[in-house]
This record gives sequence, structure tokens and C-alpha cells, in this order.
Amino acid sequence: KAGVTQTPRYLIKTRGQQVTLSCSPISGHRSVSWYQQTPGQGLQFLFEYFSETQRNKGNFPGRFSGRQFSNSRSEMNVSTLELGDSALYLCASSLAGRGRDEAFFGQGTRLTVV
Amino acid sequence: QQQVKQSPQSLIVQKGGIPIINCAYENTAFDYFPWYQQFPGKGPALLIAIRPDVSEKKEGRFTISFNKSAKQFSLHIMDSQPGDSATYFCAASSVSYNQGGKLIFGQGTELSVKP
Repeated sequence: KAGVTQTPRYLIKTRGQQVTLSCSPISGHRSVSWYQQTPGQGLQFLFEYFSETQRNKGNFPGRFSGRQFSNSRSEMNVSTLELGDSALYLCASSLAGRGRDEAFFGQGTRLTVV
Repeated sequence: QQQVKQSPQSLIVQKGGIPIINCAYENTAFDYFPWYQQFPGKGPALLIAIRPDVSEKKEGRFTISFNKSAKQFSLHIMDSQPGDSATYFCAASSVSYNQGGKLIFGQGTELSVKP
């Protein structure tokens, strides 16, 4: 069974640009969550999608957005990039996103903003 | 109230030692407490998880102890091995609080097991 796939693995963008990251969940999983990981702030929840609907959102500015497609694949977009957006972006999929469903993480996309 | 506090930040033990990582939470709505292990260049992977109606859970060399009244839980790694060297995260989530799919993570503990 294939794991969670995130593309691309690495990205370098210039401040002010926008970026789109992609996440393909494990087959059959309908919930996809996104997290930002930085050395200073650790792992912080961005948002969660289930059946193409955003169910939960973390405390991030509106520049961070996402969507989920009918095949459960998800994308997140960051507009007007800032230096502080440099981070490892992780997505996790689970069967239904219930609190006790095991969340499987991808390897992440390393975003560097210069 | 949404925070999970984890300590220590880093830990060095000898092979065969028993590292202990502690976490504390405030939100009594949390009802699921997983631990994740992360190796460099990889995403976190679920190690073991516990519900608050259980005081202890063992899976292989990994044990979670849970103290509901103190709102604390900890991870013990028995007979630690160099291959256990990784960053460990505790986390919490809530089913009843309609927060499915949202994990609140501790800050992480970087564990190094010396041969």
C-alpha cells in the first residue's frame, strides 16, 4: 500500500511569490491535514480537509489556503511568501480524521523563501 | 489551553538506558494522546497512542504512562538502542470536541542513544 506522497520535495521561492504544494493521501483515506514544521515553533496545524470541505483551521494568516479534490488529493497554497514561511510542510492522511484515527505523514515539502 | 508542553528538549542516554520524555496538557477535552517518532528527512511516524481511560500501555520496548488527574503523560523506551536516536513528539487531539484531524504537538525531544 503506497504511503502519503508529497510533491515537490524541495522548493526555493522568492519573497512575494506564491507556491502550491501537493499531497496524495493513502488510498481510501478521506481526511488530509497540513502542518508546518519549523525549529522554533515545532509542528503547527494549518488545516484539515474531509470530503472536499475544510473542517478545521489553525491560527495562520489567510495567505495560507488549501483545497481537496474528489479523489482526496489535496493542495495547499501560500501567497505573497515571506521569509518566515520557510519551513517543512507536512501533510497527513487518515481514514476519516476522527481524533483516534491513525494519521500517516508524508515526507514533507521543504520550502525555502529567499 | 490548546498547548501540549514537552520536556526535556534533548536527551542523551547510553545504550540499554531508559529515556523518559514527559508531556503535560491543559485542555480536558483531549481524549487521544499519540507519540510520534521522526528521523531526519522523514515525516513523523506513529509510535504508540493511549486514551485517558487507560493508565499504561506497552508496545514492545515503548511504554506510555498516563496520569489523568495530573494531566500528564510520558514515554519510556526500555533497553534503548542507537537506532532509537530520533526526535520524539507527543501530541493530543479530541474526538468529542469536533477537532478530528487536528493534532496538537509538543515541542519535541531530540533523543541520542550512545553505543
